[in-house]
Amino acid sequence: KNEVEQSPQNLTAQEGEFITINCSYSVGISALHWLQQHPGGGIVSLFMLSSGKKKHGRLIATINIQEKHSSLHITASHPRDSAVYICAVYLKGAQKLVFGQGTRLTINP
Amino acid sequence: GAVVSQHPSWVICKSGTSVKIECRSLDFQATTMFWYRQFPKQSLMLMATSNEGSKATYEQGVEKDKFLINHASLTLSTLTVTSAHPEDSSFYICSASPGLAGGGYFGPGTRLTVT
Repeated sequence: KNEVEQSPQNLTAQEGEFITINCSYSVGISALHWLQQHPGGGIVSLFMLSSGKKKHGRLIATINIQEKHSSLHITASHPRDSAVYICAVYLKGAQKLVFGQGTRLTINP
Repeated sequence: GAVVSQHPSWVICKSGTSVKIECRSLDFQATTMFWYRQFPKQSLMLMATSNEGSKATYEQGVEKDKFLINHASLTLSTLTVTSAHPEDSSFYICSASPGLAGGGYFGPGTRLTVT
């Protein structure tokens, strides 16, 4: 079993829909990242969080440390949100990130 | 938020030549920088961790003489792929950390193609 599990692996939705991507982990962490990777490969750091909730534009990230779970939400989704979203956790006590397998999101117009 | 840049964003080179990729933290001092590579449809793989002013720590299986990492200042780290071969073609990504426990902020990546 991977230390970081994302669900779903693939998600297709219509423009305007509310999107949720989940990330569960089984190890002690000091922080969790949400990354966005577009088809061209470029990576964008969306959020780094260690507790609570963060919001940036239409994106919201939450984390529940006790339940070892984080969610990334996209409101009013748009085709330009189509990308792979990656959850990565920073292991407590180690200088190392562990990556989830990614969620491929496709938003159709 | 914190900004990390990489240069170049893409590069094509001939087999046997060396290529240098730069990673800069633009608005903070990065005491630690990480270098990753990513093959198509795969996750990021950590290559090495570098702390400013000291030698990089390489992950198992990564040749330190082939992938030279220099972290000479708090805002710049470089990865040099020496004597590049087609199998080195990949997407190289850095992340820079200001020293807080968190893993840092990611650069946009550099696509290397070796012909």
